[in-house]
Amino acid sequence: AQRVTQPEKLLSVFKGAPVELKCNYSYSGSPELFWYVQYSRQRLQLLLRHISRESIKGFTADLNKGETSFHLKKPFAQEEDSAMYYCALRAHGGGFKTIFGAGTRLFVKA
Amino acid sequence: ETGVTQSPTHLIKTRGQQVTLRCSSQSGHNTVSWYQQALGQGPQFIFQYYREEENGRGNFPPRFSGLQFPNYSSELNVNALELDDSALYLCASSLAEDTEAFFGQGTRLTVV
Repeated sequence: AQRVTQPEKLLSVFKGAPVELKCNYSYSGSPELFWYVQYSRQRLQLLLRHISRESIKGFTADLNKGETSFHLKKPFAQEEDSAMYYCALRAHGGGFKTIFGAGTRLFVKA
Repeated sequence: ETGVTQSPTHLIKTRGQQVTLRCSSQSGHNTVSWYQQALGQGPQFIFQYYREEENGRGNFPPRFSGLQFPNYSSELNVNALELDDSALYLCASSLAEDTEAFFGQGTRLTVV
């Protein structure tokens, strides 16, 4: 079964602390993984995708096929990082379908 | 260039009724996907349209149907509404089936 699991509903850290948002997936093929972010009163938007292997707003995510994980990390959290983060997997076969996790709310305290 | 727009923003329907939600794709985008997001959950994929053809569908019953028009705008139709259909419905458009999706602000549907 294709599934994305984000074990934490809420993550609260202090400004300047490291952040790791966990994501595990279940998919039999070669996955495409994404992180989406939704800031307060804004629409859902793409943060990064694993094939780009880039850092966006200081965030990085590495695909670990052995552990079927795609955790999102940032070494020093900022207050403006407070948002809802969704991990997503795009499945191929019979068209394309994107499966989202339930999301993790990140709260960065001053 | 305008972004993805959805209408209406909110609506309330009675159980058993039918509803049509609309999505205007971002300029130049030929692919549109629809998602249902229940409270406290992530978006759930309903279906995707590419150049007016459905080319992917999630685990939703046939009473959820869609259309994509020649200008690539789209509709989501839901028949025989149930209370559990109450959710935020999101539309996302992209340049192609496998490129970055841009989301609309959503339509909040409440079924009473």
